[in-house]
Amino acid sequence: QVQLQQPGAELVKPGASVKLSCKASGYTFATYNIHWIKQTPGQGLEWIGPIYPGNGHTSYNQKFKGKATLTADKSSSTAYMQLSSLTSEDSAVYYCAQGGRGDWFAYWGQGTLVTVSA
Amino acid sequence: DIKMTQSPSSMYASLGERVTITCKASQDINSYLSWFQQKPGKSPKTLIYRPNRLVDGVPSRFSGSGSGQDYSLTISSLEYEDMGIYYCLQYDEFPYTFGGGTKLEIK
Repeated sequence: QVQLQQPGAELVKPGASVKLSCKASGYTFATYNIHWIKQTPGQGLEWIGPIYPGNGHTSYNQKFKGKATLTADKSSSTAYMQLSSLTSEDSAVYYCAQGGRGDWFAYWGQGTLVTVSA
Repeated sequence: DIKMTQSPSSMYASLGERVTITCKASQDINSYLSWFQQKPGKSPKTLIYRPNRLVDGVPSRFSGSGSGQDYSLTISSLEYEDMGIYYCLQYDEFPYTFGGGTKLEIK
């Protein structure tokens, strides 16, 4: 069965960067987009962007350009999102989701809680 | 960006009641709409896409409909396990955008 495994939590200092992982299994990793989504109590769900692991093509929500960088490693079936210059505004749960055929968000990871604190 | 206006933002309903949640897009999204259910502390679960196709394993009491700018999720007979927050997502055009959510509680 399809699974997307994400670490449960990351604690990072303001101004630092963090690289979140999303390890896929149960399907051919290169076949479907992996999307990244931010969830905060105040802002709800926000779409960051996708990466197509087959060729590494990415797209970004303008709001997250310069903040998020998406990459993928086909050899380990893992997608990554690096968040840079972290502030308290970046504290949130970050999910990865497999787009599925048609990009309708077929499967979701469990999410990584990122806490930015000194 | 396409704005997704979801309503109501919260609601109470009785067991066995028919429940409808709506999403209105700021422009035609060509039926590229999904619905998700999220329970406290859990990741969203996809229920419906495109916008009336039920995901495998989702109970048949859930259904989706709509076209153009207007879409709805219906639960034909509410069960206790249906409590949670429901979100819509348009995936017609980048940036994809979510509705603000509907918190469904049992009366």
